[in-house]
Amino acid sequence: RKEVEQDPGPFNVPEGATVAFNCTYSNSASQSFFWYRQDCRKEPKLLMSVYSSGNEDGRFTAQLNRASQYISLLIRDSKLSDSATYLCVVIHSGGYQKVTFGTGTKLQVIP
Amino acid sequence: EAGVAQSPRYKIIEKRQSVAFWCNPISGHATLYWYQQILGQGPKLLIQFQNNGVVDDSQLPKDRFSAERLKGVDSTLKIQPAKLEDSAVYLCASSLDYRGPGNTEAFFGQGTRLTVV
Repeated sequence: RKEVEQDPGPFNVPEGATVAFNCTYSNSASQSFFWYRQDCRKEPKLLMSVYSSGNEDGRFTAQLNRASQYISLLIRDSKLSDSATYLCVVIHSGGYQKVTFGTGTKLQVIP
Repeated sequence: EAGVAQSPRYKIIEKRQSVAFWCNPISGHATLYWYQQILGQGPKLLIQFQNNGVVDDSQLPKDRFSAERLKGVDSTLKIQPAKLEDSAVYLCASSLDYRGPGNTEAFFGQGTRLTVV
């Protein structure tokens, strides 16, 4: 089993739709979680951290489920500009922090 | 604030040749990462530095890849000799200090796109 798994997609959704991505991780001792966004042929950039209590930033909501070992990202009212690949990042600390990226989920928002 | 600088942006070499990439992290960032991103995949960590020391190089193919960060600031990644499967984008990232839970955001450079023919 991979350390961090994501559905690669692509997810093709119409403008205004709500879309959700999940990311599962295998190491139960993982401590920090993030969602990064990567536009085509660009570098990844931090979208949001994922806190145990869940957190929201505008149209984006991130949640963590430690019992089932997954994190999720919900995008409401999708915009064309949301089209990108969303990378899940899991950090495990065991002497040093090991940063593991998922393979990414590609989102295409259609007019 | 200046971002992570990488050079070159693009490089095309023949297999069995050597190539080197350079990275200058954000000033004051103690942790530096080199990632390999193959088309359609997420970034894969090659090596992680804390200042000038290596904290993780478990996924670095050491028979052909090497990296250094001698003065704890900028870093170079070298491939010698290159193989076709090394074609990828090589991303450098930095963060303030991996040991702090509030400091783990990684900032990425634009990457070097390597094509091995």
